[in-house]
Amino acid sequence: KQEVTQIPAALSVPEGENLVLNCSFTDSAIYNLQWFRQDPGKGLTSLLLIQSSQREQTSGRLNASLDKSSGRSTLYIAASQPGDSATYLCAVREGSGNTGKLIFGQGTTLQVKP
Amino acid sequence: DAGITQSPRHKVTETGTPVTLRCHQTENHRYMYWYRQDPGHGLRLIHYSYGVKDTDKGEVSDGYSVSRSKTEDFLLTLESATSSQTSVYFCAITSGPSGGARETQYFGPGTRLLVL
Repeated sequence: KQEVTQIPAALSVPEGENLVLNCSFTDSAIYNLQWFRQDPGKGLTSLLLIQSSQREQTSGRLNASLDKSSGRSTLYIAASQPGDSATYLCAVREGSGNTGKLIFGQGTTLQVKP
Repeated sequence: DAGITQSPRHKVTETGTPVTLRCHQTENHRYMYWYRQDPGHGLRLIHYSYGVKDTDKGEVSDGYSVSRSKTEDFLLTLESATSSQTSVYFCAITSGPSGGARETQYFGPGTRLLVL
């Protein structure tokens, strides 16, 4: 059974710092991995999607990497800002079938202090 | 937001009453999903649909049923609500080039359900 783990559960950093969020998964047979952002009381916003054949994806100050063989993904946030404060979730889409089901980690709650 | 709306956005109900949550999408997506989000458990899949009248169970389907009579609507029903079903419920769709690896999942705004 696929399990997704995110460490740390919470992170507090000063504004301007570069930071890395970690995501690990137990079964490397995935279709893709997606990073989401969730603001308090809100829904999920898709940030980046990495296909299983890719190693990384970039969007603005965000860079996500994928190492399938080791079952790991990282989300790198450059020059963090208070507006980046949110919970970040990673989710893997399993490789079996084409149902699109996602398995989520429990998230990392980030606080960026001014 | 991929044209996803959920209704109601907030609901308080009593144990034993039936509850139906609605997910509506405007872009003719084939796949739709219901998740629940709870502290300590993250998001877990309840049911999903791969077409009109085509549905299947997810990880935590006990106590829930779904229906999809039209492409745009996916209904989640709690036949007899229990306090353990107090949660935030999210609907989602899959969008993007068909073929799996590039399909992105988009989420609705959520429904907060409190069962007293």
